[in-house]
This record gives sequence, structure tokens and C-alpha cells, in this order.
Amino acid sequence: DSGVTQTPKHLITATGQRVTLRCSPRSGDLSVYWYQQSLDQGLQFLIHYYNGEERAKGNILERFSAQQFPDLHSELNLSSLELGDSALYFCASSVASGTISGNTIYFGEGSWLTVV
Amino acid sequence: DQQVKQNSPSLSVQEGRISILNCDYTNSMFDYFLWYKKYPAEGPTFLISISSIKDKNEDGRFTVFLNKSAKHLSLHIVPSQPGDSAVYFCAASALLTGNKLVFGAGTILRVKS
Repeated sequence: DSGVTQTPKHLITATGQRVTLRCSPRSGDLSVYWYQQSLDQGLQFLIHYYNGEERAKGNILERFSAQQFPDLHSELNLSSLELGDSALYFCASSVASGTISGNTIYFGEGSWLTVV
Repeated sequence: DQQVKQNSPSLSVQEGRISILNCDYTNSMFDYFLWYKKYPAEGPTFLISISSIKDKNEDGRFTVFLNKSAKHLSLHIVPSQPGDSAVYFCAASALLTGNKLVFGAGTILRVKS
């Protein structure tokens, strides 16, 4: 158990719909990262928040948005869903920002999103 | 544009032997490299890392080698154990681009007993 909690674990929804994925970081971690893993793809970085502020953006679609709340939990909002959005979405957290030595990034178990 | 490539989708090794997982990268700005292990239904877990100022880092049965001139790194597991069977992801980051982790596609390692 990494200490990073993601909900829901599985979600099936229709095209055009909107979903929210939730992440609670490890206690004491200020950074939250979101990654997408599609079939045949490695983990694709989406976005990084540190203590409530956006720090870095990756290949995140305009239909997707995220935020980190004062209690440090984060939500990833996916709207106007398409079939190609079906993927495993991972949240990760770390104490500090980025991949500096000693700043281990811990991953949650992921949220499986299936768009039908 | 795949900046981090793991060209072997899978690898099968006999228990007790050495497992060597390879990773190539194209971005010369990368200065920190990591390996993650992932079991089914679990998130990736950090295994070992190496800074670009080093060419080797060892942690128990796991050793990571970095060849900057070839833009290549490898993970050696010796001796391999059945519990090492998992998907291994290579990842890289660059300080100048905000330390975002860029992952490879992963290599499935199967250790046969």
C-alpha cells in the first residue's frame, strides 16, 4: 500500500459524458501528479500540482482539467469523453516537487476508465 | 515522439540468473533516471534511480547502469527471483523541464522457477 488513494477504482461511462477522478496523496506529501496509461502506451504525464499550484503540464487535453484543493487532495476532471479516453489513470504523490534525488514519487493503484 | 524507449516488450529469465532490462533515451537534457516496477492491479513502485553524474548505482540485487554517450541505461537484477516477475518501466526527467517524469512503454519480465 503506497498510501496514495484513488477513487473510483473502476468507472464505465458513455461518450460525451464527464467524470471526476479523485486522489488523496500520502500524508505529508505536497505534490500530486496525474498520469494516463492507455493500451500499448507507457505512462503519459498529464499534470503536476504542488501545494495547490499547478507546476507542470504534460500531454493533457483541453477537455481535461485538474485541481489540488487546500487539503491537498486532487481531482482530475475529464469531459466530453471519447472512446480513446479509455485508460488507466494514475495519481502519484511526493513530499517535494519533481524528481530530485530522495523525492520518491509514490503511485496509487489507478482508476480504470472505460468509455463506451 | 518517444523520448524514452524500452524496445523489448518482454523478457523471460530462469530463476537465479541475471535479468537485464534495457532503456534508451533521446533527450540529452535528461539528468535523472528511474526504474519502476508494476504488478497487475497495483500502481508502479519506485525501484532504483541514478543521477546523470553517476554511471552506476546499486541497491541489493538491483543495479542500474548509465551510459550517457550512448543514451542508454540498463537495470540488472541478480539473482532473479519469481517475485521479480512484473512490468518494469524506465523513466527519465530533466531539471530544466520541471522534472516531469517521462516513461517508457515498459518491459514485462517473467522469471521462471
